[in-house]
Amino acid sequence: GAVVSQHPSRVICKSGTSVKIECRSLDFQATTMFWYRQFPKQSLMLMATSNEGSKATYEQGVEKDKFLINHASLTLSTLTVTSAHPEDSSFYICSARGRRGHTNSYNEQFFGPGTRLTVL
Amino acid sequence: QKEVEQDPGPLSVPEGAIVSLNCTYSNSAFQYFMWYRQYSRKGPELLMYTYSSGNKEDGRFTAQVDKSSKYISLFIRDSQPSDSASYLCAMSVTGNQFYFGTGTSLTVIP
Repeated sequence: GAVVSQHPSRVICKSGTSVKIECRSLDFQATTMFWYRQFPKQSLMLMATSNEGSKATYEQGVEKDKFLINHASLTLSTLTVTSAHPEDSSFYICSARGRRGHTNSYNEQFFGPGTRLTVL
Repeated sequence: QKEVEQDPGPLSVPEGAIVSLNCTYSNSAFQYFMWYRQYSRKGPELLMYTYSSGNKEDGRFTAQVDKSSKYISLFIRDSQPSDSASYLCAMSVTGNQFYFGTGTSLTVIP
């Protein structure tokens, strides 16, 4: 399957700081990227959907000014958690979907390995 | 009511057993049905993907979709310790927004 990477894999920061997480599709062009958050023993919750070159669409209850998403190219999307607080501590996972013909299935999403954020 | 319901387990089976994992859903418009495997502190990886109803088999894994009952299943034959992971079902109407179950934690005991 297609490869999606995330960086960093783990980050610990102080409350009030901002943290940027990168999501890259390594071997295909990702027209759409998704950002999820997963709390322990809970399901993945979609935070936002971003299409290359356009503004992200946020799910209800997700603050767009707090979780800034940039999808500047077909291989890179970034999630910035601004003024992070302890309640933002979670496992953040991105996924990417490519153009038809560039992945096995048009609708298939390929997930990154996740970034564990701990806010002290 | 959640869109997707999945028993979180944990489920513990001996090596070689047949494992049955299930999800139910409420939205009859779902057409895409996926099963993902997630190892601890890793991102999910796609195991099986089914469009609409029916069965799909891939090696030791069989996915079943019963749209009339709004019920999907994943069967694992000859389970191995390496199958120990969390298994998440996911569903979608258009293939864009996915709705995930909570995941079922599986341990296969050697």
